[in-house]
Amino acid sequence: NAGVTQTPKFQVLKTGQSMTLQCAQDMNHNSMYWYRQDPGMGLRLIYYSASEGTTDKGEVPNGYNVSRLNKREFSLRLESAAPSQTSVYFCASSPTESQPQHFGDGTRLSIL
Amino acid sequence: GNSVTQMEGPVTLSEEAFLTINCTYTATGYPSLFWYVQYPGEGLQLLLKATKADDKGSNKGFEATYRKETTSFHLEKGSVQVSDSAVYFCALKGRGGSYIPTFGRGTSLIVHP
Repeated sequence: NAGVTQTPKFQVLKTGQSMTLQCAQDMNHNSMYWYRQDPGMGLRLIYYSASEGTTDKGEVPNGYNVSRLNKREFSLRLESAAPSQTSVYFCASSPTESQPQHFGDGTRLSIL
Repeated sequence: GNSVTQMEGPVTLSEEAFLTINCTYTATGYPSLFWYVQYPGEGLQLLLKATKADDKGSNKGFEATYRKETTSFHLEKGSVQVSDSAVYFCALKGRGGSYIPTFGRGTSLIVHP
């Protein structure tokens, strides 16, 4: 019953460092998403992948890149981290685009 | 574009009180509507959903009815428990070409014994 697994759970970076957040789902879902959650802002979509082989920008894509490595895995990369990217990042998946999403437990990222 | 507006919190109630969290939406066509719940330190979990007008979603004592005429999807529960303390998110997914999910900002519920 793993569902959506995100790694790492916590990370502290220095400004300018790069890192990749990993996400994997074991439910054979077609669609995957990356969100960030900030106090008072709710969830904001960074990138999504409607199906394997496709990726599209969401509401706040600047400073991020994604890779849909295969049907199971969808990674989010910060090339040059900035303090404004301090946030909690959630990965989600859904069977198809129109169906509800299953979320991971989040990665808490602090950038100093 | 699509948007979801939900009441600001926190909502503070005593145990066994009646709960309403308002949610209204703007969307073209007939979106699917959802309520998610987030407990501290966890990701969001689907609480209930409705896919067409007049549908009622229900789960764990919570209910919400898809009202097309008022573009609303208010969450209700007749008697809340301390364990219901969490953040609740209203969300929609459009249809017919735009399935990008849209979330409200969340409403924090605090239930006191």
